[in-house]
Amino acid sequence: TQLLEQSPQFLSIQEGENLTVYCNSSSVFSSLQWYRQEPGEGPVLLVTVVTGGEVKKLKRLTFQFGDARKDSSLHITAAQTGDTGLYLCAVNYGQNFVFGPGTRLSVLP
Amino acid sequence: DAGVTQSPTHLIKTRGQHVTLRCSPISGHKSVSWYQQVLGQGPQFIFQYYEKEERGRGNFPDRFSARQFPNYSSELNVNALLLGDSALYLCASSLAGPHGATQYFGPGTRLLVL
Repeated sequence: TQLLEQSPQFLSIQEGENLTVYCNSSSVFSSLQWYRQEPGEGPVLLVTVVTGGEVKKLKRLTFQFGDARKDSSLHITAAQTGDTGLYLCAVNYGQNFVFGPGTRLSVLP
Repeated sequence: DAGVTQSPTHLIKTRGQHVTLRCSPISGHKSVSWYQQVLGQGPQFIFQYYEKEERGRGNFPDRFSARQFPNYSSELNVNALLLGDSALYLCASSLAGPHGATQYFGPGTRLLVL
């Protein structure tokens, strides 16, 4: 069983549509991070959420940390082709830094 | 300022061989972490080094080893390569020690084991 589950695994949408991807766990975390990884590159940090119920906005991206700090969501408004990529959530877990399996988003023109 | 750099960018090896991957952190960063990313999956944590000491280790066999040099650059070594070691190997650097600081990732080294 993976520490972090992400859904959906794949998502293909048209430019201009809205979407939400999810990161879930049965464990409680002090913080959670979201990354975006584009082909041929390493992941790039988008946001860190630390407080249960916290909502952070980054332009068209809205991140929410669950009240119980076990889950998080990423909502993208009016998706653009430049949003295409692998979206990863990640947490500190003991001595490790653990990534979820990712949601692969494809935004079509 | 230069970001995290990794070399080589691509590498092809055969089973049983040994490989050394290199990483140069962002100037001023003292922590380097290594990750393995198999196609279609998220990165898996291998090691973290801070101030030249190992501070964290993931669930990888002893064939994987690493070290950090006085200039904070790092090497990841993998012995007795298996087909399953084929992956993108990512290096990340951060200012501070274990996992409290933002990590900046390099572009990775893509290893293919035949």
